[in-house]
Amino acid sequence: GAVVSQHPSRVICKSGTSVKIECRSLDFQATTMFWYRQFPKQSLMLMATSNEGSKATYEQGVEKDKFLINHASLTLSTLTVTSAHPEDSSFYICSASAQKHNEQFFGPGTRLTVL
Amino acid sequence: QKEVEQNSGPLSVPEGAIASLNCTYSDRGSQSFFWYRQYSGKSPELIMSIYSNGDKEDGRFTAQLNKASQYVSLLIRDSQPSDSATYLCAGTPLGGGTASKLTFGTGTRLQVTL
Repeated sequence: GAVVSQHPSRVICKSGTSVKIECRSLDFQATTMFWYRQFPKQSLMLMATSNEGSKATYEQGVEKDKFLINHASLTLSTLTVTSAHPEDSSFYICSASAQKHNEQFFGPGTRLTVL
Repeated sequence: QKEVEQNSGPLSVPEGAIASLNCTYSDRGSQSFFWYRQYSGKSPELIMSIYSNGDKEDGRFTAQLNKASQYVSLLIRDSQPSDSATYLCAGTPLGGGTASKLTFGTGTRLQVTL
C-alpha cells in the first residue's frame, strides 16, 4: 500500500523558535499533500492543501505566515511552524494523495510540544 | 448542519459480534467515501474506500453505500478487542476533482469488550 512518512515523530522546542516537519510519500508520487492538526480528543482539522510546485491553500483561520508550507517535489512537503508558542502544541499530521478517487494516506504524525 | 455526520458513541459490542458504524452526508454531489481507523494517539489509517452504490467487502470489513439515502456504513464482523478505535467517515465534496480535500465526520468510538 501507499506509505507516507513524517519526521520528526516528536519534537520539543522553546517558545519563539521555529520547527520544520517533513512529510514524504515513499512509494508513490503525491500531487497533493494535506496538513492537519489534531488536539487531544478532538477531530482532525485541515490546515492547508499543498500542490507540488504551487502555493499552498490555507483554510480559514490558519495563518499562512505562521505555518509555512513548501511542496517542492512530488514526494516531499514541509510544514514550518514559525515563532512557536505553547498554544501551537498539538499533533500535526500530513496526508498524501495521488489517486483519482481522492484517497488520502496519512503519515504517522508529529507531536509538537512548545515550552 | 454538518456535511458528514456520525454518532460519536461510544459504540460497545462484545467480542465476536458485528459492529455497525453509520455515517450520513448532506452533499449529494459527493462521489467517493472512505473509512479510516484511528487509534488513540496515532494518525488515521485508511481501511475501506467505496465509490459505487452497494456493498464492498474486504476481509472482516464491509462498506455499504446508498447514494439515494446519502448513507454510508461500515460493518466489522467477528469484532476483536484490537478493533477498538475511533472510526472516521470521509467523503469528497461537491465538484471534487483529483486529490480534492476530504470532509471528515467527527468519528465514532468503538469499544469491543471481552
